[in-house]
Amino acid sequence: GAGVSQSPSNKVTEKGKDVELRCDPISGHTALYWYRQRLGQGLEFLIYFQGNSAPDKSGLPSDRFSAERTGESVSTLTIQRTQQEDSAVYLCASSLKPGLAGGNTQYFGPGTRLTVL
Amino acid sequence: AQSVTQPDIHITVSEGASLELRCNYSYGATPYLFWYVQSPGQGLQLLLKYFSGDTLVQGIKGFEAEFKRSQSSFNLRKPSVHWSDAAEYFCAVVPVYNQGGKLIFGQGTELSVKP
Repeated sequence: GAGVSQSPSNKVTEKGKDVELRCDPISGHTALYWYRQRLGQGLEFLIYFQGNSAPDKSGLPSDRFSAERTGESVSTLTIQRTQQEDSAVYLCASSLKPGLAGGNTQYFGPGTRLTVL
Repeated sequence: AQSVTQPDIHITVSEGASLELRCNYSYGATPYLFWYVQSPGQGLQLLLKYFSGDTLVQGIKGFEAEFKRSQSSFNLRKPSVHWSDAAEYFCAVVPVYNQGGKLIFGQGTELSVKP
């Protein structure tokens, strides 16, 4: 596709359930990033992938959060035993390569709005 | 502490008026600087970025930003605002030591445009 896509666009779940959020980056982009945007706040970095490896997971808020990437393409962010404070918009971005060499730019998807009841 | 600050949570301007959104950063070395816009239901779109060189940067949609090292600021401007500019604007940085390029965002400024 032309841009970064994410699914589902909206997810409502009950507290304690597990959820999976999917990101399809722009084809050929080797770097993939996950961010979280809680209501009224800026975006927080969660994790980034270079290829299928995650050199920086420093933003994952707890061990309930995990992510993987396969085929240097699609990525899945999994939240186990969801809590109400996990309610947020989860945004994915991809770039041709990591870092900023050559003016590298991150392109963002539309996000998944997660609501935990 | 290292941070990105957008002092204005919400700004309202009249259509056709000029606009300036403020952004200050606190890092030992000047980071790479960005402005993104988020329209309702849309993902973030890059407006402009500053890596080095000319301190006045031109972006898309008629926006520009000026880097001022002495003030640790990177304010976004537009000479004449259109109703379609109503959105949330985020200033972001990438610290120069960060190899992965993760963005660190300010809290955002919501722009409303009066007819």
